[in-house]
Amino acid sequence: DAKTTQPNSMESNEEEPVHLPCNHSTISGTDYIHWYRQLPSQGPEYVIHGLTSNVNNRMASLAIAEDRKSSTLILHRATLRDAAVYYCIRGGSNDYKLSFGAGTTVTVRA
Amino acid sequence: DAGVTQSPTHLIKTRGQQVTLRCSPKSGHDTVSWYQQALGQGPQFIFQYYEEEERQRGNFPDRFSGHQFPNYSSELNVNALLLGDSALYLCASSPGVNYGYTFGSGTRLTVV
Repeated sequence: DAKTTQPNSMESNEEEPVHLPCNHSTISGTDYIHWYRQLPSQGPEYVIHGLTSNVNNRMASLAIAEDRKSSTLILHRATLRDAAVYYCIRGGSNDYKLSFGAGTTVTVRA
Repeated sequence: DAGVTQSPTHLIKTRGQQVTLRCSPKSGHDTVSWYQQALGQGPQFIFQYYEEEERQRGNFPDRFSGHQFPNYSSELNVNALLLGDSALYLCASSPGVNYGYTFGSGTRLTVV
């Protein structure tokens, strides 16, 4: 039970921003929002996570809606290396597992 | 700094056999989780180990068992292998709750 909803696929051009939406309308107050991505033939890679405030790191930004029912992962300048499946995951404070759904397949055009 | 190391990378077993997969967590990480990823699907949580005990378990039968050693490394054991156990088995480690997990590249298990 992934408990999040993401589009199946998105396309982007190289060096343009990518905005990946995620719906988690049943999120509880203590659930974190995690993003991972998986490149072909590799294990998932941590991207970013947050609770309430917007978060930034060297890879991406995470914008969390004020009601926390949705969030958006922002890749500021897509590169070919960013082509991957991106997973949005809800994580409870007492739930140690990551529940992966189908994710969003991102294609980057050169 | 080595990340998560899994061995072997590939494995072929016969139905009914038993298999052991190994995982060395990233340095400084004390929590280890195991996931099963079938082709074309997202990873599914098997269980998590912390302080040498199984802390949480996913919806997997008792044929799947594990162990964590004092140095935080871990093993996943699968008994009575079925054809449906063919998958990529991923190990992930973390320094604690609500931190990001570091995944290994996985062990590709094929049951024939």
